[in-house]
Amino acid sequence: AQKITQTQPGMFVQEKEAVTLDCTYDTSDQSYGLFWYKQPSSGEMIFLIYQGSYDEQNATEGRYSLNFQKARKSANLVISASQLGDSAMYFCAMRDTDYGGATNKLIFGTGTLLAVQP
Amino acid sequence: DAGVTQSPTHLIKTRGQQVTLRCSPKSGHDTVSWYQQALGQGPQFIFQYYEEEERQRGNFPDRFSGHQYPNYSSELNVNALLLGDSALYLCASSLFGEFGELFFGEGSRLTVL
Repeated sequence: AQKITQTQPGMFVQEKEAVTLDCTYDTSDQSYGLFWYKQPSSGEMIFLIYQGSYDEQNATEGRYSLNFQKARKSANLVISASQLGDSAMYFCAMRDTDYGGATNKLIFGTGTLLAVQP
Repeated sequence: DAGVTQSPTHLIKTRGQQVTLRCSPKSGHDTVSWYQQALGQGPQFIFQYYEEEERQRGNFPDRFSGHQYPNYSSELNVNALLLGDSALYLCASSLFGEFGELFFGEGSRLTVL
């Protein structure tokens, strides 16, 4: 079974600095997908970035980039130039491959609470 | 372009009652899934609907049931509510077969007293 591990319960970063949020995963499948979501206190899960296991390039979306190291089974999220509005809970997730393709079942980590300080 | 919308945003029920939560998927999406997020935890998959049928189900009892309508909107029903059902219920939508997209709504926060 797949598993997502986020070892940082909380992180602090100064405004305008970069921050890396760690995520490691465990799967025996060769084809899989990894997601990062942001969840502010309002509760909405905001999609940030997606990385497929066969993607040759690391995914990037604006200030977000994913440092994908397949051999180490890590998919760390890098946020550049942090802003106060980045303060939120961040979840790493993996699509459950036990169902084959086209499933919306994601397995989530426990999350990292990021606090951006002015 | 409307995103995923859920209703109601907050509700309070008592033990033993029944609740219905509603979700409209993002425009162009045809697949809806539901998640339960207890306080301080990551979301847990409840089930997924596509073509008006339940396609996959997580480890939740039969008290949790759902429905999908021809316009792709969906409902989550929970019967015989327990205190432990208090949680944020999130709806997510995607286009069937698209692996890189899964968008969530703002959730319905259920409190069971």
